[in-house]
Amino acid sequence: GESVGLHLPTLSVQEGDNSIINCAYSNSASDYFIWYKQESGKGPQFIIDIRSNMDKRQGQRVTVLLNKTVKHLSLQIAATQPGDSAVYFCAENYGGATNKLIFGTGTLLAVQP
Amino acid sequence: DVKVTQSSRYLVKRTGEKVFLECVQDMDHENMFWYRQDPGLGLRLIYFSYDVKMKEKGDIPEGYSVSREKKERFSLILESASTNQTSMYLCASSLTRGQTEAFFGQGTRLTVV
Repeated sequence: GESVGLHLPTLSVQEGDNSIINCAYSNSASDYFIWYKQESGKGPQFIIDIRSNMDKRQGQRVTVLLNKTVKHLSLQIAATQPGDSAVYFCAENYGGATNKLIFGTGTLLAVQP
Repeated sequence: DVKVTQSSRYLVKRTGEKVFLECVQDMDHENMFWYRQDPGLGLRLIYFSYDVKMKEKGDIPEGYSVSREKKERFSLILESASTNQTSMYLCASSLTRGQTEAFFGQGTRLTVV
């Protein structure tokens, strides 16, 4: 939404640099994790996912790392571009029969030209 | 492409009104979700449904109800709208229970005056 960037942690990077966005999740039983990107005025869009039996997954210019020991997830964006400017959310699926998908509070990525 | 459509982009309602937010998905997904998004709070789960006529409470169900009479449609109902329900409402759907990504609609910006 238009105002979702307010009051959020902000990561400011130079165009061409690598970005790392971090997320702490809450449920040790969560078995599936997703990173979403939300641009102003739009709904969240899927970037990349990872299952709990993996530590790392790579996509095009993006890599997700999962550390289950400390319940930490990170999204790495290589060669950050102005079009990457957005709010980024991690989400965890609580697993089992609940099918509950819970989101973090988000990080605003601001790419400076 | 999966399409999740929310019936209104912007709504303005009066305190005490009964409000219906409609969401339709066109990919025969089993799961549907309603979230609200507020600055600094991320996406908070209101209700979700994994089958027709089935519903589960999310983290903030108070003041809301839902209806899923058909697989493709998931309605969020504000029984008596209050000003603290002014927010961005996001609908999402996913294919099955468990490890599948959720696809989002564009959101409905609801203002209660």
